[in-house]
Amino acid sequence: SQTIHQWPATLVQPVGSPLSLECTVEGTSNPNLYWYRQAAGRGLQLLFYSVGIGQISSEVPQNLSASRPQDRQFILSSKKLLLSDSGFYLCAWRYRDRVFTSSGAFFGQGTRLTVV
Amino acid sequence: TQLLEQSPQFLSIQEGENLTVYCNSSSVFSSLQWYRQEPGEGPVLLVTVVTGGEVKKLKRLTFQFGDARKDSSLHITAAQPGDTGLYLCAGGANYGQNFVFGPGTRLSVLP
Repeated sequence: SQTIHQWPATLVQPVGSPLSLECTVEGTSNPNLYWYRQAAGRGLQLLFYSVGIGQISSEVPQNLSASRPQDRQFILSSKKLLLSDSGFYLCAWRYRDRVFTSSGAFFGQGTRLTVV
Repeated sequence: TQLLEQSPQFLSIQEGENLTVYCNSSSVFSSLQWYRQEPGEGPVLLVTVVTGGEVKKLKRLTFQFGDARKDSSLHITAAQPGDTGLYLCAGGANYGQNFVFGPGTRLSVLP
C-alpha cells in the first residue's frame, strides 16, 4: 500500500531563519507531487507541483522554493522566513499514469509552521 | 487558471437533518474529487467523479457531477456529528497539471 510521510508535524521558527520541510512517498513510482498551504479554516493554495525529478512548477510567487532530488522525495524550502509564511503546509501525491488521470490526491498529515 | 467556488461557506445543522453543498466552476474538469478534512489533519479523499451526470453514493453521502462537468454537489442524508468537518472539492484538467481546490464548506452537525 502507498503511504506518504511529512515532517515535522509542528515547527516554530524565527523570522529570517531558513526552512526545510520534507515529504516522502512509499509504495508507488513516478508520482505527481504537490505542496499546498492552508490558512486557518480555509481552502488549499497550491504552491508547487512536480511531475518528475528536478521538474518543479511554481503557482504562486513567494518566499519559498521546492526541489525534488529523488522520485519520491519532495522538499519545501526557504532561505529567510517571513511572518506571512506561517500556515499549515500539506504535501500530496497523485498517480501520474494516464490510466489514473482521474486520481484524487493523497495527503500527508501536514506541518503547522509558526513564524515568530 | 481554473477556479472552484463552494457554497455555502459555513453550515450549521442539527443531527438528523439533510443538507447539500455545492462546488462550481466556469471551467470544464476531467474529474472532480471531494475531500473531508478535520482540524490539524490532511484532507481525506471521499470520492472521484469523472463522467458528466455521474452519481456516486457513499453510505449517507451522495455525490453528483454536473452534465457539463463544471459543477458538483454533495448531499448528506440524516447528518451525524461525525460528519462535522471541512468539505473540499478539487479538480484538474489533465495529469501533470496543477490540481486546484475550492475554499471549502465548513459543516457543523450539532447533537
